[in-house]
Amino acid sequence: NAGVTQTPKFQVLKTGQSMTLQCAQDMNHEYMSWYRQDPGMGLRLIHYSVGAGITDQGEVPNGYNVSRSTTEDFPLRLLSAAPSQTSVYFCASSYSRKDTGTQGYTFGSGTRLTVV
Amino acid sequence: AQTVTQSQPEMSVQEAETVTLSCTYDTSESDYYLFWYKQPPSRQMILVIRQEAYKQQNATENRFSVNFQKAAKSFSLKISDSQLGDAAMYFCAYRSFRGGSEKLVFGKGTKLTVNP
Repeated sequence: NAGVTQTPKFQVLKTGQSMTLQCAQDMNHEYMSWYRQDPGMGLRLIHYSVGAGITDQGEVPNGYNVSRSTTEDFPLRLLSAAPSQTSVYFCASSYSRKDTGTQGYTFGSGTRLTVV
Repeated sequence: AQTVTQSQPEMSVQEAETVTLSCTYDTSESDYYLFWYKQPPSRQMILVIRQEAYKQQNATENRFSVNFQKAAKSFSLKISDSQLGDAAMYFCAYRSFRGGSEKLVFGKGTKLTVNP
């Protein structure tokens, strides 16, 4: 099925460890982004990309790194995990033009990350 | 920067009744898009309804409709004939298509409970 695939669905890390959350989409969307969701905070943008080779910071980028070498993939790297990064992470993709962007975002199923 | 405010952290409704969730936003732009997303306990983000700011007609999707008041910067969601399956978190979101600002800005969400 077409959509956004996120892996893993659950992860427990120790403080200081690094890991990569994977995100792939097969809809040829130009725009991809990562959000974190915390209780009472809604979804906050971490990083986003408007196309292969182009990335930019969102609202809460510290402690995270991204790259976009292909249109399909947009991995999120935690460089040195901290308990404050315990959260649910969502990857999302979309067309980026006005005429198609109104279809909205397609979200992955999320990754629940716990840092101990 | 755009902001989205959902003033009702929690709402409840009786099955078969109607409920309205509030959303206000702040922007200096005249062309943008608004969305309501539903997040059930499964964690999946589901697009409920969308509205283009240049359209005066309020969007409708089956039992879901919006009251879009552009001058007041208000975008409320009305759910008619509420069903048990409507119980979820609901997020209001704003999207600009000004160059480099295609990201989605979310409110903090409203938790909707449907009582049998």
